[in-house]
Amino acid sequence: DAKTTQPNSMESNEEEPVHLPCNHSTISGTDYIHWYRQLPSQGPEYVIHGLTSNVNNRMASLAIAEDRKSSTLILHRATLRDAAVYYCILRVTYNNNDMRFGAGTRLTVKP
Amino acid sequence: DAGITQSPRHKVTETGTPVTLRCHQTENHRYMYWYRQDPGHGLRLIHYSYGVKDTDKGEVSDGYSVSRSKTEDFLLTLESATSSQTSVYFCAIRSSGGATDTQYFGPGTRLTVL
Repeated sequence: DAKTTQPNSMESNEEEPVHLPCNHSTISGTDYIHWYRQLPSQGPEYVIHGLTSNVNNRMASLAIAEDRKSSTLILHRATLRDAAVYYCILRVTYNNNDMRFGAGTRLTVKP
Repeated sequence: DAGITQSPRHKVTETGTPVTLRCHQTENHRYMYWYRQDPGHGLRLIHYSYGVKDTDKGEVSDGYSVSRSKTEDFLLTLESATSSQTSVYFCAIRSSGGATDTQYFGPGTRLTVL
């Protein structure tokens, strides 16, 4: 799987938008961009995924660059509950193998 | 909620003893996974299963074995636990649908080997 690069940590104020970046310059045409997050003392939790077009769901939005070499996870209004480690993962279609979680970005939300 | 439970949630054991962790799912997913998570290493795949009695090794399989005799249960066994196997263990299932898949994780088992 192609590699991703994320900042180690970010801070945000409560009720403000948060933009979490991810670089994936070696992405291939069949790689989907997945985002997961891990709240303290819990297992990872699926957030969103996309291929080429921007995606929205109830948790977040995913903005994908036109060349697909980067993407941004957008939390429209951060809450204290959004404090977590966020992982950006590339995944080929129906790969039987594991999801390779890197170090992710630790998001701190300040009240 | 993908209906995944893990047992036990916490366990302390001694070096050299056998340990079995259980993952149970309620939604008949074909693929199941065992990961371990350690500081500085993120999540690493131990073993996975693609059906009853069908399993394969992951990145860090040495010292671990698995079994899947029923769709709903995936067992991870440490035949002779060592201190290096102190970790948090997560089970996951793969939900397929559409052009890609997503994984859903259980709550984890914290294992301490003294």
